[in-house]
Amino acid sequence: QVQLVESGGGVDQPGRSLRLSCAASGFTFSSYAMHWVRQAPGKGLEWVALISYNGDNKHYADSVKGRFTISRDNSKTTLYLQMNSLRAEDTAVYYCARVLRYFDFWSGLDNWGQGALVTVSS
Amino acid sequence: QSALTQPASVSGSPGQSITISCTGTSSDVGGYNYVSWYQQHPDKAPKLIIYEVSNRPSGVSNRFSGSKSGNTASLTISGLQAEDEADYYCSSYTSTSTVIFGGGTKLTVL
Repeated sequence: QVQLVESGGGVDQPGRSLRLSCAASGFTFSSYAMHWVRQAPGKGLEWVALISYNGDNKHYADSVKGRFTISRDNSKTTLYLQMNSLRAEDTAVYYCARVLRYFDFWSGLDNWGQGALVTVSS
Repeated sequence: QSALTQPASVSGSPGQSITISCTGTSSDVGGYNYVSWYQQHPDKAPKLIIYEVSNRPSGVSNRFSGSKSGNTASLTISGLQAEDEADYYCSSYTSTSTVIFGGGTKLTVL
């Protein structure tokens, strides 16, 4: 079955960097676009970024553009989110999620990880 | 870009039907058929229940249905059950190649 397992969360200070990983298994990782979505404590969902199945296309929310970088290693079936210049408002649970249709980008997110908590505080 | 507009809360009794609205603009909900709905129980990851406006993923109950008219999408849950009590979020693709979520709706089953 499809499994997505995030790691790399933790506590960091404003201005520092953190990298999240999302290990995928149970499906052909290289055929699916992947997203990161975050949720601040007690708040709603916020889309963060998308990467196409082959890594050629990447899109970001305005709130993270220029600070966060999404990437993937299809040989390791792993998705990444490099987060630089962290701010207090980046504090959230970060979910990786798979797109429903292979080779599509936007059809809906049908499998989600358990989430990784990132806390940015001095 | 502001979040899609959803009611903060809705409620209904077991067996009843409820509808949650999700209002955007012609640059998102109204312009594309990439509207999805997610159900989220406390401390759990979201679950996809509707994709591309009105399609249900395999395994999702047919009590859940979706539709769209103009810039507003809707999720209807019929035959309300206690386990439907959760937060519900809509999302849409946008004209700037991003995704926007609604603010979320808390469903209470009375």
